[in-house]
Amino acid sequence: GESVGLHLPTLSVQEGDNSIINCAYSNSASDYFIWYKQESGKGPQFIIDIRSNMDKRQGQRVTVLLNKTVKHLSLQIAATQPGDSAVYFCAEIPTSGTYKYIFGTGTRLKVLA
Amino acid sequence: DTGVSQDPRHKITKRGQNVTFRCDPISEHNRLYWYRQTLGQGPEFLTYFQNEAQLEKSRLLSDRFSAERPKGSFSTLEIQRTEQGDSAMYLCASSRTGGATAEAFFGQGTRLTVV
Repeated sequence: GESVGLHLPTLSVQEGDNSIINCAYSNSASDYFIWYKQESGKGPQFIIDIRSNMDKRQGQRVTVLLNKTVKHLSLQIAATQPGDSAVYFCAEIPTSGTYKYIFGTGTRLKVLA
Repeated sequence: DTGVSQDPRHKITKRGQNVTFRCDPISEHNRLYWYRQTLGQGPEFLTYFQNEAQLEKSRLLSDRFSAERPKGSFSTLEIQRTEQGDSAMYLCASSRTGGATAEAFFGQGTRLTVV
């Protein structure tokens, strides 16, 4: 299938290691921040979200950290597996009453066997 | 329910032709979104419906683009007089109000190629 994100920043991680994917956002008033995973030829798939009044949220093998001081969001994936190979996008939902998702530049995660 | 469904998956059209894409959201979802994605970029917001009302349109949505959601269920996105710059993946997503998360569920997309 056609690749998503041919010229994206790439993070290569050894299988079993932890991955950290970073994202900078622009709107300090955003209410929600979300991480999506996109595999080649597929639509984005929700991973985890975090509200602006939190600084950490954990899911299954994933943790999202929010640093509002420097407008930085990160996704940590524990014990990275081959199935984690994909392009990862952060998205924000502004508090202006709109429900549109504003996506950032993606990061390609490559898991090395 | 199998999730958000988009049809067709792929469309090749000649410049100047009109195309129409369909999106069937998850049945209990009242919000529906259209996005456009080009290679190497994140999805860009085009428009958003709550039930049958189109509440927001991006400046990206020129007057050659029109979207409808006549009964608050499925939606169509029409592009008139297609241009090569319209070549992209068109993604539909749906979500519901009052959900526990901010999750929008995306379809597989329609890949448009204008030749």
